[in-house]
Formats: sequence, C-alpha cells, structure tokens
Amino acid sequence: EVQLVESGGGSVQPGRSLRLSCAASGFTFDDYAMHWVRQAPGKGLEWVSGISWNSVSMVYADSVKGRFTISRDNAKNSLYLQMNSLGADDTALYYCTKGSGSGIKKGIDYWGQGTLVTVSS
Amino acid sequence: QSALTQPASVSGSPGQSITISCTGTSSDIGAYNYVSWYQQHPGKAPKLMISDVSNRPSGVSNRFSGSKSGNTASLTISGLQTEDEADYYCSSYTTSSPWVFGGGTKLTVL
Repeated sequence: EVQLVESGGGSVQPGRSLRLSCAASGFTFDDYAMHWVRQAPGKGLEWVSGISWNSVSMVYADSVKGRFTISRDNAKNSLYLQMNSLGADDTALYYCTKGSGSGIKKGIDYWGQGTLVTVSS
Repeated sequence: QSALTQPASVSGSPGQSITISCTGTSSDIGAYNYVSWYQQHPGKAPKLMISDVSNRPSGVSNRFSGSKSGNTASLTISGLQTEDEADYYCSSYTTSSPWVFGGGTKLTVL
C-alpha cells in the first residue's frame, strides 16, 4: 500500500523559512517522480513543484520559483520542500504526491494527507 | 500559467449521468494526453479517478469515464450515487509551468 506521510508544517512569520518532509513507503521510491501540491483554505489545488526520479529535472510553479527548492533522498525514501521568504499567500495545506512515472510528464496518482503551513505575523 | 476552466458547480439526481468539462488551451490539454481527474471529499486528500485522459485506475468504479476533444477534457459520471458528491479537479501537463489544475467543480447529488 502506497503511503506518503508529510511533516514539518506549522505556523511561521512572514519572511521566514520552513522545510517540509515526506516519508514514502509501499512502492519503489526511486522509480517515480514526486510532486508537491498545495491547497489554500477553502480554495482549489495548486501544483507547486516536481522532481524526476533521479533529481535531474526539478520544476516549479511561477508563484514559488526562486523561493522554494524541491529535493529528494532516494536512499531514505524521502521528499523535501525548502520554503524561503514565506508570505501570507503561501498559507495552505501542502500535499506530498507520487507521480505515475519516472518523469515529470506523468500525472499524480497518490496523495498524502497533507501538512498545514500557516504564514502570519 | 492560468488554471484550467471548470464549471463551479454541477448537480444531478441519483441514477442520472453528469459531465464536468475542463477547458484549456493548445499548450496544455490540446497538446498532451496527460489529463487527470481527481475526486476530493471534504477534509480528505484528493483521489485519482482518471489518468491520461481516459484510463481508469484499478478500484475506481466503471461509472467514471474520461474523454478529450481539442482543448477540452470531460469527466462523465453515470448512475450517480450519493457518495459521488464531492469536489472534482482536472489537471493537465503544460508546455510552460509543467502542471496546472482546474479551479474545481462541486458536484451535488440531489
């Protein structure tokens, strides 16, 4: 059974940083691309960032480009999202998601339960 | 990258069929067969219902089907059941920001 467990969320002041982690199990982690998707309270889904199986390809939404960095550690079956210069618009539930293929082009097939990030002074 | 366009809400009675549209451009839906549909119940994580335009994952009811014509993708749910009441999101690979979601459609089963 695919399991994706996010951690690292919390309340942070504007301009500060936060690092999200995702522990994956139930599948061969280094065979698949991974993505982060967020959902602001009461709003729709927004794709944030994706990384290929071998970390060669890392892509970002324009809204986070230059502030967020995605990474993975295949030895630890873990995905990360380093978030810098956080603003109120970054307040959301952040989902760790599994791609259905090794590259970025294939869609998402599994979702974690999410970790909440709240940016407020 | 603008979000894909979905109707804000659709409704139907049990047993009926409904279709949710998802309109994009020639840079996303029109360019690739990488369209997915997700179901999200309140307080829950999204669940994949359709991948690659029309593929139904194992375990998803055959009442759910997907299609695409030009820049518009569609999700059809036949034989509506009360448990189908949820939010539905489409997504597509794009030539720019690699992935984009629709704004979501709230399905009400009357």
